[in-house]
Amino acid sequence: AQKVTQAQTEISVVEKEDVTLDCVYETRDTTYYLFWYKQPPSGELVFLIRRNSFDEQNEISGRYSWNFQKSTSSFNFTITASQVVDSAVYFCALSEADGGTSYGKLTFGQGTILTVHP
Amino acid sequence: SQTIHQWPATLVQPVGSPLSLECTVEGTSNPNLYWYRQAAGRGLQLLFYSVGIGQISSEVPQNLSASRPQDRQFILSSKKLLLSDSGFYLCAWSVSGQGVSGANVLTFGAGSRLTVL
Repeated sequence: AQKVTQAQTEISVVEKEDVTLDCVYETRDTTYYLFWYKQPPSGELVFLIRRNSFDEQNEISGRYSWNFQKSTSSFNFTITASQVVDSAVYFCALSEADGGTSYGKLTFGQGTILTVHP
Repeated sequence: SQTIHQWPATLVQPVGSPLSLECTVEGTSNPNLYWYRQAAGRGLQLLFYSVGIGQISSEVPQNLSASRPQDRQFILSSKKLLLSDSGFYLCAWSVSGQGVSGANVLTFGAGSRLTVL
């Protein structure tokens, strides 16, 4: 069975600090997809990134970067120079690509509450 | 562009009362649809998903049921609510028919917050 673990329940930083959110996953599949979603106080989940298991290149998007390491089954998310607007709950999720029968179902981690103080 | 709507946004119901949460998607056809629940403001649990009209799969046994009477309409229901049904319910959709469905990006609605008293 799939499992996603976000060991950090809550993180508190001061604006402009860098912060890394950890994500560790378990799956038996060789082909799978990893996601990060952001849940601001409004409650709606916002898609941030999707990576497939064959692409281990790190990705950078503005202040956001992601480090995918298959050897350690980790997909960590770093926010550089954090801002107050980054305050939210961040979820890591896993989807298996089992020949098209997974129907896009996601297994989510428990989420990390990030609070950025001014 | 595609949009997803959920209502009501908030709901306070007594134990034993019925429930109906509705979700509709616009701007796409034959989407995969999902109901997730987030208890106590934390982790999301998949409750139901649907790949077509009248096709519902349940992920966990519970007091809830789901229906898909139309292509882009997904309804979450209960005949008698329990205290444990309180939570934040999120509807989501994804594109169907892709060769590798695990790649599907889920787009979520704004959620419905249910409090059972």
